Amino acid sequence: GNSVTQMEGPVTLSEEAFLTINCTYTATGYPSLFWYVQYPGEGLQLLLKATKADDKGSNKGFEATYRKETTSFHLEKGSVQVSDSAVYFCALDRGSTLGRLYFGRGTQLTVWP
Amino acid sequence: GAGVSQSPRYKVAKRGQDVALRCDPISGHVSLFWYQQALGQGPEFLTYFQNEAQLDKSGLPSDRFFAERPEGSVSTLKIQRTQQEDSAVYLCASSLAELAGETQYFGPGTRLLVL
Repeated sequence: GNSVTQMEGPVTLSEEAFLTINCTYTATGYPSLFWYVQYPGEGLQLLLKATKADDKGSNKGFEATYRKETTSFHLEKGSVQVSDSAVYFCALDRGSTLGRLYFGRGTQLTVWP
Repeated sequence: GAGVSQSPRYKVAKRGQDVALRCDPISGHVSLFWYQQALGQGPEFLTYFQNEAQLDKSGLPSDRFFAERPEGSVSTLKIQRTQQEDSAVYLCASSLAELAGETQYFGPGTRLLVL
């Protein structure tokens, strides 16, 4: 089947710290992988995505590399800001024409000044 | 240049009541999805439309849940005889095409509380 496992939260960091949020997946076929972010009081927004193995998605200083050999898509940022405080969701689709998403449970990130 | 909109944003229902949740997708988007998000969890797929055709309803938890998109634009998710376990945030998303890797754009959600 298809599933996503994210590291448990919450994650609390000081400003300018390095961030890693782990995400591993199980999938049949060749899924695309996504990171969505949910800021307080707002809807889910796409942060970045990668559609094939070894692709790197990047946006707003965040990066994630699609690793087929380890079935992982870990999210990283070199220097977090208070404004990065949000819930982060890893997700995959089935890699076919039916684009339903499978989400992880989400990881709450809080960044302190 | 509006995004996906949903209404109402909040709904309180008494157990046994019927509710209807509306989704206005981004204009021109072919695909429309409904997800259910319980507190502290990730969104779970409910159903999917391509234009007016409901191609996948495998995620609907019971026959009390019904969704439609009659003209291929606005969609309504209806829950009959609501139960307390239906309390959740209901998210609507749309995407331009039915392609793998296509970005889904989410609305703000409708928070449903069943008392």
